[in-house]
Amino acid sequence: TQLLEQSPQFLSIQEGENLTVYCNSSSVFSSLQWYRQEPGEGPVLLVTVVTGGEVKKLKRLTFQFGDARKDSSLHITAAQPGDTGLYLCAGGVYNQGGKLIFGQGTELSVKP
Amino acid sequence: DAMVIQNPRYQVTQFGKPVTLSCSQTLNHNVMYWYQQKSSQAPKLLFHYYDKDFNNEADTPDNFQSRRPNTSFCFLDIRSPGLGDAAMYLCATSRVRGGATEQYFGPGTRLTVT
Repeated sequence: TQLLEQSPQFLSIQEGENLTVYCNSSSVFSSLQWYRQEPGEGPVLLVTVVTGGEVKKLKRLTFQFGDARKDSSLHITAAQPGDTGLYLCAGGVYNQGGKLIFGQGTELSVKP
Repeated sequence: DAMVIQNPRYQVTQFGKPVTLSCSQTLNHNVMYWYQQKSSQAPKLLFHYYDKDFNNEADTPDNFQSRRPNTSFCFLDIRSPGLGDAAMYLCATSRVRGGATEQYFGPGTRLTVT
């Protein structure tokens, strides 16, 4: 069974601080997606990484896929209250019809 | 804009009373998924359709059924809802291709069981 361990589960920080969320697995994934979900809404896709070692930037967010395609990180620089939400990583499973394995999620709260 | 639509956004049903949730998509994606999500947890996959092929997760209760009459629509039927079935139900779609597997989610239906 493939698992994605996401940490930390909860993070409460002040506006302007930096943070990193990690997703780790012993399994290789075909791709890695990061989603952000606000209360009462569905997850919104932030980024997809597919190549080992790939780094993608989305404004203040930096996403990295591990060289072996088993782990990923999300780094937020100068967090803002609008970044508050549930962050989910999800790994694509080979030959499983598009199935994703989700991490447990990181509940981020950014206080002004 | 292409999107995934779920109706209703909020559904209240009584214990044991059958309920149907609906999902439609304008993305023309070949795969549709149903997830159950409880507060601040990761979504839990219930089943998915790859075109017309139905794929049930091993731990999905028999109480949950699904129908996909055409590419655009998919339904989740809960035959006899229990209090433990109260949750957010998310529909997602994807176009399966080599490499990335991107799923696009609808806004969800919040189900309350009284």
